Amino acid sequence: DSGVTQTPKHLITATGQRVTLRCSPRSGDLSVYWYQQSLDQGLQFLIQYYNGEERAKGNILERFSAQQFPDLHSELNLSSLELGDSALYFCASSVVAGSYGYTFGSGTRLTVV
Amino acid sequence: GQQLNQSPQSMFIQEGEDVSMNCTSSSIFNTWLWYKQDPGEGPVLLIALYKAGELTSNGRLTAQFGITRKDSFLNISASIPSDVGIYFCAGLVGGSQGNLIFGKGTKLSVKP
Repeated sequence: DSGVTQTPKHLITATGQRVTLRCSPRSGDLSVYWYQQSLDQGLQFLIQYYNGEERAKGNILERFSAQQFPDLHSELNLSSLELGDSALYFCASSVVAGSYGYTFGSGTRLTVV
Repeated sequence: GQQLNQSPQSMFIQEGEDVSMNCTSSSIFNTWLWYKQDPGEGPVLLIALYKAGELTSNGRLTAQFGITRKDSFLNISASIPSDVGIYFCAGLVGGSQGNLIFGKGTKLSVKP
């Protein structure tokens, strides 16, 4: 157990729908990162939060949004889902920032049908 | 944008063999990290490198931070079956408060 908790583990939904993925960071970690992993694209950085504030944005679609709450857990919202959004979504956390590496959760596998 | 090119994309290993993989970029990174991902799990940090030229070991794993700061390699000595998985290199962008850019991974499988 890495200490980073992601729920749900699996999600199957239809095109056009909206889902919310949840992440609880490791105790004491202030930074949360979201990554998308698909077969042909590897790990793509989506967005980073630090202590409740958005810190950096990567290749995140406008249909996707995220937030980090006062208790430091984070949610990634995916809307108007398309087949191509099917992927593994990972949350990672770190104490300060990436220079010491992240601790990843086990991911949420999203399947859009 | 910044990209990390990892090679080889995949390789087959026989128990006891040494394995080598590398990561290159056209951009300079100040921190390189190597991760391993097992099926159904998130990546796990293996080794972190912070100085150009640095050579760091973690058991049978050895990684080096290239002197130009544009490349890194990972060696696994005397491979064992549990070494199979996907190995990712990652470079830190945006300074100490930044985020990681990952290579596309090297998939290690056991020779049939």
